[in-house]
Amino acid sequence: EVQLVQSGADVKKPGESLKISCKGSGYSFSTYWIGWVRQMPGRGLEWVGIIYPGDSDTIYSPSFQGQVSFSADKSISTAYLQWSSLKASDTAMYYCARLKTEYSRSSPFDYWGQGTLVTVSS
Amino acid sequence: EIVMTQSPATLSVSPGEGATLSCRASQSVSSNLAWYQQKPGQAPRLLIYGASTRATGIPARFSGSGSGTEFTLTISSLQSEDFAVYYCQPYHNWPPFTFGQGTRLEIK
Repeated sequence: EVQLVQSGADVKKPGESLKISCKGSGYSFSTYWIGWVRQMPGRGLEWVGIIYPGDSDTIYSPSFQGQVSFSADKSISTAYLQWSSLKASDTAMYYCARLKTEYSRSSPFDYWGQGTLVTVSS
Repeated sequence: EIVMTQSPATLSVSPGEGATLSCRASQSVSSNLAWYQQKPGQAPRLLIYGASTRATGIPARFSGSGSGTEFTLTISSLQSEDFAVYYCQPYHNWPPFTFGQGTRLEIK
């Protein structure tokens, strides 16, 4: 069974750094792109970007380029989303999701993590 | 970047009736279009991909149609569990693959 399990909720202050995780199981983690999706409170879904765990190739949305960074450790089947300096406007639920077609970056999301709530407040 | 426009923003329908949701792309995405359902407090769920193919486990009352720039999600005979927010998303050529703003399907 394919599963994506995300790290727990976190509360941070503006300016702090944060790294959240997404652990995959039940499939070949290295050969499927993993994406990140932001959902601000009461708002819609925003495509943040994707990473290919096999070689850590990344594609960011222009809206998020330079604001976040992705990484992956295929040895432990885990992808990460990281901020170096959080802002209050980063407060949101963040989902990881697997792209459906092996090797392909042009594919819908078929399996989703449960979400990680990030709260940034002074 | 392809911009997706969904309509209506909110749709009020009685249980047992049908619902039609629309999604328009700013440029052709061929048939590379997915629909997702999101219920409160839950992660989104893939319903339809390839514009018309139901994902695993999705009931037959959900159907998708369209190609190019105009797409439709139809739900026949609405059940109580179908009232949710629905998003469309293209995945044509090169990312980013921005979601539509969503349609909220509510009980009338």
